[in-house]
Amino acid sequence: AQSVTQLGSHVSVSEGALVLLRCNYSSSVPPYLFWYVQYPNQGLQLLLKYTSAATLVKGINGFEAEFKKSETSFHLTKPSAHMSDAAEYFCAVRKGGKLIFGQGTELSVKP
Amino acid sequence: DGGITQSPKYLFRKEGQNVTLSCEQNLNHDAMYWYRQDPGQGLRLIYYSQIVNDFQKGDIAEGYSVSREKKESFPLTVTSAQKNPTAFYLCASRGLLDEKLFFGSGTQLSVL
Repeated sequence: AQSVTQLGSHVSVSEGALVLLRCNYSSSVPPYLFWYVQYPNQGLQLLLKYTSAATLVKGINGFEAEFKKSETSFHLTKPSAHMSDAAEYFCAVRKGGKLIFGQGTELSVKP
Repeated sequence: DGGITQSPKYLFRKEGQNVTLSCEQNLNHDAMYWYRQDPGQGLRLIYYSQIVNDFQKGDIAEGYSVSREKKESFPLTVTSAQKNPTAFYLCASRGLLDEKLFFGSGTQLSVL
């Protein structure tokens, strides 16, 4: 069965520091993987998606993620955190016509 | 502007009452989804529909019902059988040839 696991329900970084949010997937076939961001009391917005075209995927707001088949990982990174990056981040995998989400990681950014 | 609209933003349910959450999209998307969000549990799929007049149960369909009479509309009814309905409900849509989900801004349902 396809699923995703996000390691760490809460990550805190200082402004300007590296952001690393972890996601591991379980899939018997090459998956379609996604990262979404949710700001308070809002819906989700797509940050980036992996659809097997390239292992390093660049998204909006300076985020990127690297697909590593050997590690079954799709971690989200950003070189330098901004205060505006504080939000909840969800990793997701496509399963047929459905999108299965991880449990989410809340990112806090300290001044 | 094209988008997906959920209403109301806040909804209160009395015990034993059915309530209906509205979801409308003008993106001409074929597929629509309802998710429930609880703190620390991520998003869980309630129902989804890939075509008008057809829908499938997701992982937590018990206590919920949907209809898809029109392409642009996918209302969700929370029935009295749903014993723990307090949650944030998110509706989403997707074009069948598109991987990206578009989300509404959500409805917070609480029990009085």
